[in-house]
Amino acid sequence: KAGVTQTPRYLIKTRGQQVTLSCSPISGHRSVSWYQQTPGQGLQFLFEYFSETQRNKGNFPGRFSGRQFSNSRSEMNVSTLELGDSALYLCASSLVAGGLLNEQFFGPGTRLTVL
Amino acid sequence: DAKTTQPPSMDCAEGRAANLPCNHSTISGNEYVYWYRQIHSQGPQYIIHGLKNNETNEMASLIITEDRKSSTLILPHATLRDTAVYYCIVRVTGYSTLTFGKGTMLLVSP
Repeated sequence: KAGVTQTPRYLIKTRGQQVTLSCSPISGHRSVSWYQQTPGQGLQFLFEYFSETQRNKGNFPGRFSGRQFSNSRSEMNVSTLELGDSALYLCASSLVAGGLLNEQFFGPGTRLTVL
Repeated sequence: DAKTTQPPSMDCAEGRAANLPCNHSTISGNEYVYWYRQIHSQGPQYIIHGLKNNETNEMASLIITEDRKSSTLILPHATLRDTAVYYCIVRVTGYSTLTFGKGTMLLVSP
């Protein structure tokens, strides 16, 4: 079965702009999590959605937001982009949220560059 | 979640076993040990997880000490494609969030 897909794969924006990234989970998976990866901070959790509701949120400013649709697809939005937002944004899907044996499957990521 | 400690880097010859250690001395009874790896420029890939018994799947084996304070991921016959950053994660049951540390960069050489 198809894996997690993320679009676009690469994106270049300028400071002050906003961006929307999309994630389609594995078919049947209902939980989607987002992570940011930078060379300095490593992989950091952004937020998790399950059944269109945000379950957990990491320590990121309000400029970072997300949502999940009824078909489990998810989008994340970053407004007023800063240079430090340049990163690889990873989406992960899992069958359920918070399950006991709930491994996450990651997509290839969206590489965002802010100029 | 309990903090983990891993060596920053390790080398392994192709065809040999790669043994990657992880310390998690503050692990609590309801926390599982998970291993993921990330090959350059790709998303992390799930490898294996366990609670207290040793586990094996088609990718690797996981050995957890009896006191659960440390574990070892074993790749029995490392190949060049196993070159990656390996993350040991201890996760509270009931939550999906993964807290990644810096991991171990495993370099497999011919």
